[in-house]
Parts: sequence; C-alpha cells; structure tokens
Amino acid sequence: GAVVSQHPSRVICKSGTSVKIECRSLDFQATTMFWYRQFPKQSLMLMATSNEGSKATYEQGVEKDKFLINHASLTLSTLTVTSAHPEDSSFYICSAVAQGETQYFGPGTRLLVL
Amino acid sequence: DAKTTQPPSMDCAEGRAANLPCNHSTISGNEYVYWYRQIHSQGPQYIIHGLKNNETNEMASLIITEDRKSSTLILPHATLRDTAVYYCIALNAGGTSYGKLTFGQGTILTVHP
Repeated sequence: GAVVSQHPSRVICKSGTSVKIECRSLDFQATTMFWYRQFPKQSLMLMATSNEGSKATYEQGVEKDKFLINHASLTLSTLTVTSAHPEDSSFYICSAVAQGETQYFGPGTRLLVL
Repeated sequence: DAKTTQPPSMDCAEGRAANLPCNHSTISGNEYVYWYRQIHSQGPQYIIHGLKNNETNEMASLIITEDRKSSTLILPHATLRDTAVYYCIALNAGGTSYGKLTFGQGTILTVHP
C-alpha cells in the first residue's frame, strides 16, 4: 500500500515554456502533499506544502508565481513550473501523507530545461 | 524540528548487519524519529519510524536510546540493493511545522559483495 506516482518521469523543455508535473496517491487519499526539489549531489529541499482544496504554502525563497501548485482532489496534486529556465533543471519529488504522519514519496521527475 | 547528525558514509559486507547511527540530542517529546532511504535517482523510500520504543518491520529495526538522544537503524542482512543514502529525520507530530521533513546529508551506505 501507500503508493505515490509521478508523471512524467522525465521531461526536456525549451527555456521559457511551462511544464506540469502530476503527483498521484494511488491507493489512499492524501489531504496533504509536499513538493521537494533536489539538485545534483544535494539533499532534498522542501518547496511547498499542498493541502486539498486550499492554497499551497511555500517555503521561504520559493516563488509561488513560478511554481504553481494545485491540489484539486484527495489523490492529485500538480506542480507547474512556469517560464522554465535552465536553473530550474532539477529532480522534483512529491510526497503524500497517508495514515498519521508518514509521508510516502513518488519516484521523482527529472526536468531538464534547455 | 530537532537537528540530526549522521556519519557521512559507511560500508557493510553483503549478508552482514548494517547498523546506522543517528544523533538527535535536542529532540523534543513529541518528535518522532523517521528513517528514509534514497537509492540513486529515485524518490525516498520510507523505512521505519518510532517515538520511544524500539520498532521492527519487514525492512529494518529501529533502536532508540532511553533518553531518546540517539537511535540506530539496523538492516539485519544487508544486500547490494540496500546501497543508498539513509536519512534520519526528527519529525514534529504537531504544530506549525507538522509533517515537514527536513532532509540532512544522510549516510551513504555502500554494501560490498
């Protein structure tokens, strides 16, 4: 149980375009989902907390207008990287809270902006 | 959330037990100790968590000292597939930082044949 999926697994886009990443909890309902970013050889950094039916809460330094988060249902959250630039190239990972406090992570989405 | 300290790297022979230590000397009473691991280019995988008592599941055992200032994750029979970065995280069970996992640098465990 507690499976989280992400789509796409990897994406290459041109600078200036927008990219949408989906995060789904497949076998449970998640009132809260989290979005993380991981640069090469670094640890995961929390970007934002997404609660179903409400606005996301962003961590300090994360631009909310650049990283749009929508949590439309209890099983789906989306992250849209708007006007992507090469410095946005990273490994984006979502997680969802199942029972209690335990977070289960998706497999990640590797974004490369050319 | 309490800061955790882990050795940057450890080695283990395949088939032997891997004991990964974690210090969390400033942990508060309502903070759980969570362990995750991340295999290269994948999302983190939940391993185990505990509050006070030792815990065991199909993946590992978690030993928490009586004063809760440190813990040890035990992989009883390490395999090559256990090679990963292991993260020990103190997680607040409530309050404004509820649910927010703060990842440190973790311990790179390398299992050798």
